[in-house]
Amino acid sequence: AQSVTQLGSHVSVSEGALVLLRCNYSSSVPPYLFWYVQYPNQGLQLLLKYTSAATLVKGINGFEAEFKKSETSFHLTKPSAHMSDAAEYFCAVSPSGNTGKLIFGQGTTLQVKP
Amino acid sequence: GAVVSQHPSWVICKSGTSVKIECRSLDFQATTMFWYRQFPKQSLMLMATSNEGSKATYEQGVEKDKFLINHASLTLSTLTVTSAHPEDSSFYICSGKLAGGEQYFGPGTRLTVT
Repeated sequence: AQSVTQLGSHVSVSEGALVLLRCNYSSSVPPYLFWYVQYPNQGLQLLLKYTSAATLVKGINGFEAEFKKSETSFHLTKPSAHMSDAAEYFCAVSPSGNTGKLIFGQGTTLQVKP
Repeated sequence: GAVVSQHPSWVICKSGTSVKIECRSLDFQATTMFWYRQFPKQSLMLMATSNEGSKATYEQGVEKDKFLINHASLTLSTLTVTSAHPEDSSFYICSGKLAGGEQYFGPGTRLTVT
């Protein structure tokens, strides 16, 4: 069965510091992988997605993620955190292509300190 | 991006009553809509998938007679929680998907059953 594990339910960084949110997946087939961000009282917003093309995926707001098959990982990074990046981040896998059925990780709350 | 709305954003109901939650795609036609449930500080769990004009497909462990889903048009899906109990209290999130395209999430509906 497919699954997603996000390491660290809470990550705190200083403004301007590197952001690294970890995501490992389990899938028996080549997966589609996603990162979503959820701001308070708003719907999930797609940051980026991997669909078996380039392994380094660039998304919105300066975020990027690298698909590493050997490590079954899809970690999210941003070189320099902004206060506005504080939110909940979810990694998700779609085990059956672009059908829309998503399996989500537990989520990571990113805190950005001034 | 496309917008998905949910109504109401928060509802309180008494145990034993039923409550209906609406999910609308405002500026696109969603051939498929999904319903998720999110417990506090936890991940989103897919409850069911619905295609316009068809019966919903429920995930394992989700009671279809308790969580009635209707997808009457390409812009509206409803979730009715029947005979609600306190354990049904949760955050319910819908999403709409374009055929072969992106998935867009609503802001969620918080259900509290007293």
